[in-house]
Amino acid sequence: DVKVTQSSRYLVKRTGEKVFLECVQDMDHENMFWYRQDPGLGLRLIYFSYDVKMKEKGDIPEGYSVSREKKERFSLILESASTNQTSMYLCASRIDRINTEAFFGQGTRLTVV
Amino acid sequence: GESVGLHLPTLSVQEGDNSIINCAYSNSASDYFIWYKQESGKGPQFIIDIRSNMDKRQGQRVTVLLNKTVKHLSLQIAATQPGDSAVYFCAEITPGTYKYIFGTGTRLKVLA
Repeated sequence: DVKVTQSSRYLVKRTGEKVFLECVQDMDHENMFWYRQDPGLGLRLIYFSYDVKMKEKGDIPEGYSVSREKKERFSLILESASTNQTSMYLCASRIDRINTEAFFGQGTRLTVV
Repeated sequence: GESVGLHLPTLSVQEGDNSIINCAYSNSASDYFIWYKQESGKGPQFIIDIRSNMDKRQGQRVTVLLNKTVKHLSLQIAATQPGDSAVYFCAEITPGTYKYIFGTGTRLKVLA
């Protein structure tokens, strides 16, 4: 089974802090995604990485950056956390660009106070 | 822009009955569709997918139907069980893009 693991289930951070959310997948997938999920808004794409060191902005990249130095790891960085970034963050991976399903991690619920 | 939507935000069914969750998509060019299940506090879990060259696909207790004429997707769950209680949402991909477009979800409640 594909396993996508996010480093934290729950995080509480202060406004202005730099926050790192880590995601690791164990199936040698090329593509990885970061989404945020908010009630009534569904899943919104923050960033996408199609290969090591490659990234593309999603629909809501403002206030975020990403890093993919190794194939299995995709990090989401909140440069200066703000209260409107309180959300559920979901990482996903997919084998490659051919239409296949994405596999999700368990999610990180981030609260910024 | 194009989007994937769901008709019913909450669906309540009796245990043992069949459930039908619906999804309307607006992009007729979309050629791949997925249903996900998300239990409270967990990440979405893949249930079943279907490509546009098919109109029906069956899994274990689940069936996905695709009607391209009216751009409609449905998920049927047979003999619904308490463990089926979750939020279900559909996703689509359009050729030439890498993005999934997700619906906001339907909550399925199974009544004992």
